[in-house]
Amino acid sequence: QLQLQESGPGLVKPSETLSLTCNVSGGSISTSNYYWGWFRQSPGKGLDWIGTIFYTGTTSYNPSLKSRVTISVDTSKNQFSLKLSSVTAADTAVYYCARRHSSGWIDNWGQGTLVTVSS
Amino acid sequence: DIVMTQSPDSLAVSLGERATINCKSSQSVLYSSNNKNYLAWYQQRPGQPPKLLIYWASTRESGVPARFTGSGSGTDFTLTISSLQVEDVAVYYCQQYYGSPLTFGGGTKVEI
Repeated sequence: QLQLQESGPGLVKPSETLSLTCNVSGGSISTSNYYWGWFRQSPGKGLDWIGTIFYTGTTSYNPSLKSRVTISVDTSKNQFSLKLSSVTAADTAVYYCARRHSSGWIDNWGQGTLVTVSS
Repeated sequence: DIVMTQSPDSLAVSLGERATINCKSSQSVLYSSNNKNYLAWYQQRPGQPPKLLIYWASTRESGVPARFTGSGSGTDFTLTISSLQVEDVAVYYCQQYYGSPLTFGGGTKVEI
C-alpha cells in the first residue's frame, strides 16, 4: 500500500526558505503513470496546488508561486522535495505531498505537516 | 485560471437523508476529443488529508461507497450523498484538472 510522509521543520522564520521532503514507500516513485506534487491548506481555508514533478525531473508550478518554488526528486531515495523561498506569514499552512494520476486527479495524500512562519 | 465555485458553503442533513453539493467551473472542463469531464471530488474529515471520491466527474474511486454519486457536465457538477451516515461528516471539495494550474473549490461542510 502506497504511503507518503512529509518531513521538515515546523517553524520557519520570515524571509527564510521552507524545505520539506516527502518519502514514498510501498511503491516506486519512478513510474510513468503518476506525477508527484505538493499542496497546501492555510488554516481554515481551502486547498492550493503548489507544483508537480515527474520522476524524470520535469516540473510544473503554480504561476502564483513559481518565482519562489523549487521541487526536486531523488529516485535513489524514492523521495521528492519542496523548497519555498522568501516566506511570509501568508505561507503558514499545512503542506501535503501527494501522488497525482497522469490524468490529473490526486489519489494518494500524505498526512500533512503544519509549517508556521514566525520569528 | 479556472475558478471553481461550490455551493452551499455548508449544509446540515439528517442521518439517512440526501445531501447535494454543487460545483460550478468558470469555463467548461469537458474535453471534446474524449468526451470526458476533467473534474474530481474529495472528502476531507477533520484532521485528515483529502480522500479521493470521484474522478472523471462520475467514476467512483475503488472502495468508495455507492451512496456517493457524481454527476454533471461542462461547467455544472453535483456530488450527491444518497443516505448520509455519521462518517460522512466532512468538508467536500471539487477540483478541475482540465487546465493548469489545478484548482479546487472552496469546500462545502456537511454536518448532521
